[in-house]
Amino acid sequence: DQQVKQNSPSLSVQEGRISILNCDYTNSMFDYFLWYKKYPAEGPTFLISISSIKDKNEDGRFTVFLNKSAKHLSLHIVPSQPGDSAVYFCAASENYGQNFVFGPGTRLSVLP
Amino acid sequence: DVKVTQSSRYLVKRTGEKVFLECVQDMDHENMFWYRQDPGLGLRLIYFSYDVKMKEKGDIPEGYSVSREKKERFSLILESASTNQTSMYLCASSSSRGIYTEAFFGQGTRLTVV
Repeated sequence: DQQVKQNSPSLSVQEGRISILNCDYTNSMFDYFLWYKKYPAEGPTFLISISSIKDKNEDGRFTVFLNKSAKHLSLHIVPSQPGDSAVYFCAASENYGQNFVFGPGTRLSVLP
Repeated sequence: DVKVTQSSRYLVKRTGEKVFLECVQDMDHENMFWYRQDPGLGLRLIYFSYDVKMKEKGDIPEGYSVSREKKERFSLILESASTNQTSMYLCASSSSRGIYTEAFFGQGTRLTVV
């Protein structure tokens, strides 16, 4: 059974609007969460992370929100740009980053 | 610039062949990982290593083995390749010093077994 779930396989958004990607997890021992972005034929690249002691972390256009009681996190991209079109993976760790469990990914398409 | 390098971008192998996928990192990281990526399944962990000569099974180790003789190099071995091992293979490394570190990935190896 998947410990990290991304229930939307794909998402389409207009350029300039907000993209919201969601992730749910089942393991209450997870204490660190990350988002990765992946273009075709390339390895994933780290985007942003959040520890379980926070509920929000921002980096430029990217913000990650964590709701521990709901075991839910989300990635907000504002404003969305065509270059943001990629597959986004949510990942979680229960050892502060020593091992990582990944979700199935959400393919984001930002339309010009 | 930090780097994880996988030896091949694309490989085509025959069923039954022994296949070696090599990964090298230049960041002096203790931890190294092998994942495979399949549509709808995300990244699944095959094996990982916390130190030289150490290895731990991940979620899907069947049909695979690994070798870590040097800190910077982590090899994935398909003992007898099968068509269901056709996939994108991704190597990653991370530091065990400090907390809240991220994994750095290589560019991936697209393996096709025919």
